[in-house]
Amino acid sequence: DAGVIQSPRHEVTEMGQEVTLRCKPISGHNSLFWYRQTMMRGLELLIYFNNNVPIDDSGMPEDRFSAKMPNASFSTLKIQPSEPRDSAVYFCASSLVRTTNTEAFFGQGTRLTVV
Amino acid sequence: KNQVEQSPQSLIILEGKNCTLQCNYTVSPFSNLRWYKQDTGRGPVSLTIMTFSENTKSNGRYTATLDADTKQSSLHITASQLSDSASYICVVTAQYNNNDMRFGAGTRLTVKP
Repeated sequence: DAGVIQSPRHEVTEMGQEVTLRCKPISGHNSLFWYRQTMMRGLELLIYFNNNVPIDDSGMPEDRFSAKMPNASFSTLKIQPSEPRDSAVYFCASSLVRTTNTEAFFGQGTRLTVV
Repeated sequence: KNQVEQSPQSLIILEGKNCTLQCNYTVSPFSNLRWYKQDTGRGPVSLTIMTFSENTKSNGRYTATLDADTKQSSLHITASQLSDSASYICVVTAQYNNNDMRFGAGTRLTVKP
């Protein structure tokens, strides 16, 4: 398996523009997570899905952020409108929740710069 | 307040030397504790995982210890290599919800020749 695939790897956009980040989880995994990582705050959970259903979105910073998972093999994180403070690395991770030793596998991340 | 605290924030050591990274947590009850390694520009990769009943787990030159009574864990790296330069993140999973992972801020390790 190719692992968790994220696109694009890098995104530079102007303030006010819409940004869409994409994620393809590992085939067969039933949980998907979106994280944001900054130097100041480290890794922060934004939202996670279980069997394509959003379970906890309490980490989504505000209404400008939205996430969807239309099927088991694809998810998007959208920011509209984007702001400079959204600049960060966004990670997608997936896992197969079945035991206490569930491991989350991370993608390579999308580095977002909003100017 | 973060429920997973790591120290030191950063560390510089010479190649070949050993080092120990610390993780203190308040997540309770917890299911497991995992150490991740994150190379620059990449996603975190799991190094070790321990359940609350385990005291130690090794993965090559990496050895993790866990004291569930004091809620402390350490990651010991033996005979460091330049490729060990990375951030090391301690992650505690809450019991009853395997999706509830609490991340530490990480320790940035630099190994110099």
